[in-house]
Amino acid sequence: NAGVTQTPKFQVLKTGQSMTLQCAQDMNHEYMSWYRQDPGMGLRLIHYSVGAGITDQGEVPNGYNVSRSTTEDFPLRLLSAAPSQTSVYFCASSYSGAEQYFGPGTRLTVT
Amino acid sequence: SQQGEEDPQALSIQEGENATMNCSYKTSINNLQWYRQNSGRGLVHLILIRSNEREKHSGRLRVTLDTSKKSSSLLITASRAADTASYFCATDASGANSKLTFGKGITLSVRP
Repeated sequence: NAGVTQTPKFQVLKTGQSMTLQCAQDMNHEYMSWYRQDPGMGLRLIHYSVGAGITDQGEVPNGYNVSRSTTEDFPLRLLSAAPSQTSVYFCASSYSGAEQYFGPGTRLTVT
Repeated sequence: SQQGEEDPQALSIQEGENATMNCSYKTSINNLQWYRQNSGRGLVHLILIRSNEREKHSGRLRVTLDTSKKSSSLLITASRAADTASYFCATDASGANSKLTFGKGITLSVRP
């Protein structure tokens, strides 16, 4: 199993551009989440999903959209990138909603 | 806002020593988890302790939970240089839906 995969690994955007961060898992997990990690801030939950077709907001959802059309994929869309969205983004999945499996992360810089 | 707050923020020990890290939280939880993050990598789950458990072991890891004090500790025994990483506690206050709240992390350095 590949586990949780994220693409791209690195991305540079200009302010106002949009993009989609991809996340996929091959473990048939129902639960998937997106976090951002900033220096000194730990991880903060952006959006999460408990199954295909079901998503909900986390702690810091503004400026991000998600959808869950399949169990495997959970893309995160930045609608209009801002410098405050410069961060490392992690996708995670879970079978039971407890132990989470994390992807390797996407390092995003917005200039 | 962070639910879990780890203490200390940074810890430096000699190889072979034990490392103790603490986590305090604010609201009632269903479980508390500890994760490790090596530099530039994703987080790796270490151990989960449920609110009705007081102590749990996994290899060189020992975690305790005191729900009356809303605190947990992670003990790594006989530390190795490979244990150098950041450690995070995460709390599940909802009981469902994979909604974890992470602390800011502890940086552990193990000197060879």
